[in-house]
Amino acid sequence: GAGVSQSPRYKVTKRGQDVALRCDPISGHVSLYWYRQALGQGPEFLTYFNYEAQQDKSGLPNDRFSAERPEGSISTLTIQRTEQRDSAMYRCASSSGLVKQFFGPGTRLTVL
Amino acid sequence: GQQVMQIPQYQHVQEGEDFTTYCNSSTTLSNIQWYKQRPGGHPVFLIQLVKSGEVKKQKRLTFQFGEAKKNSSLHITATQTTDVGTYFCAANTIKAAGNKLTFGGGTRVLVKP
Repeated sequence: GAGVSQSPRYKVTKRGQDVALRCDPISGHVSLYWYRQALGQGPEFLTYFNYEAQQDKSGLPNDRFSAERPEGSISTLTIQRTEQRDSAMYRCASSSGLVKQFFGPGTRLTVL
Repeated sequence: GQQVMQIPQYQHVQEGEDFTTYCNSSTTLSNIQWYKQRPGGHPVFLIQLVKSGEVKKQKRLTFQFGEAKKNSSLHITATQTTDVGTYFCAANTIKAAGNKLTFGGGTRVLVKP
């Protein structure tokens, strides 16, 4: 079956613009996670959902970052007033339980 | 906060040799997971360890969870070019809700043929 998909795969934006990153998890997966991965580093937790409920948003860097999963399936990570330091790979993962997470291909965000 | 350290950061291995990568946590863990990320790819789950002192094998890969549940190791025997990639440990603390993972910085493995 289909894995986790993310769109767009690449996003180049100018500083100050808002961006919305989409994640489509594996069908039926209850949990959905957002990570940020800088080049040469491990994924850094941002936030996660069980169904539509945001369980933990302690990893969101500041209030410019927000995420939603209104119907318990597709999720959107929004970054407002982007800054150059926001440039990174943003990864989404989903899981059906408390074990393995399936990662998507990521969205490479570049803020000019 | 929770910190997970991995050593070495880089591992250059001659094809056919063995090597070990280590993962250390500042706090006691409920479980630990290992992921592999190929160059240009995304992390792929390898295994989860839950019990103190647990040892699991996957072909040439041997994973171990420390007795105190604060460290873990991955040992690869007879390294092959297909082992190239970055190996991450990801920790789940006892106090964390759900499956919030804290990833280590990874060990980048390069194999010399």
